[in-house]
Amino acid sequence: AQSVTQLDSHVSVSEGTPVLLRCNYSSSYSPSLFWYVQHPNKGLQLLLKYTSAATLVKGINGFEAEFKKSETSFHLTKPSAHMSDAAEYFCVVSDKRTGGFKTIFGAGTRLFVKA
Amino acid sequence: DAGVIQSPRHEVTEMGQEVTLRCKPISGHNSLFWYRQTMMRGLELLIYFNNNVPIDDSGMPEDRFSAKMPNASFSTLKIQPSEPRDSAVYFCASSLRDVGANVLTFGAGSRLTVL
Repeated sequence: AQSVTQLDSHVSVSEGTPVLLRCNYSSSYSPSLFWYVQHPNKGLQLLLKYTSAATLVKGINGFEAEFKKSETSFHLTKPSAHMSDAAEYFCVVSDKRTGGFKTIFGAGTRLFVKA
Repeated sequence: DAGVIQSPRHEVTEMGQEVTLRCKPISGHNSLFWYRQTMMRGLELLIYFNNNVPIDDSGMPEDRFSAKMPNASFSTLKIQPSEPRDSAVYFCASSLRDVGANVLTFGAGSRLTVL
């Protein structure tokens, strides 16, 4: 079975402090993993992707994520939060199957950034 | 490319009416996905197509929902009859399926309100 669990529905940090958004996945295949961001009343934008190459993946806006197979985790981090990072973040798993990719989103983590 | 184009952006209708949402994927993409987003249920995968063929419609809520992809450049999601609980933002996304990652590009969404 394929599933994604985002461990925190809300995360609040102060500007300039590190960000950690946690994600665990379950897949019967060798999945691809992604993080997407959604700003208020906007569509979804790809932050970064993991596709079985390097386990540490760098994305846009200073975000990065590390794939840990033994822990089935794909946590998103950023060293220093900016006010503009306030948004909802989705962890995504995509399994390559016969006929196509089934792509499932986690429930989302809303990031608040305090001045 | 103009990206994934969805129409209408906003739709307000009365219970019992038919609703048709439209999507034009990115030219050259061969996979198309329909998602529904609500506060209560997050982003749910409704159905996805590969090369215009529906692969998995297990997320379609019930028989009132139907989706078609008559050609590579157009897809519709129809709700008949609509109900207030169908109120949500419906996103269409497309991707180029390959041996690597399945990176989705999202449209801006169609916000549906059923009174």
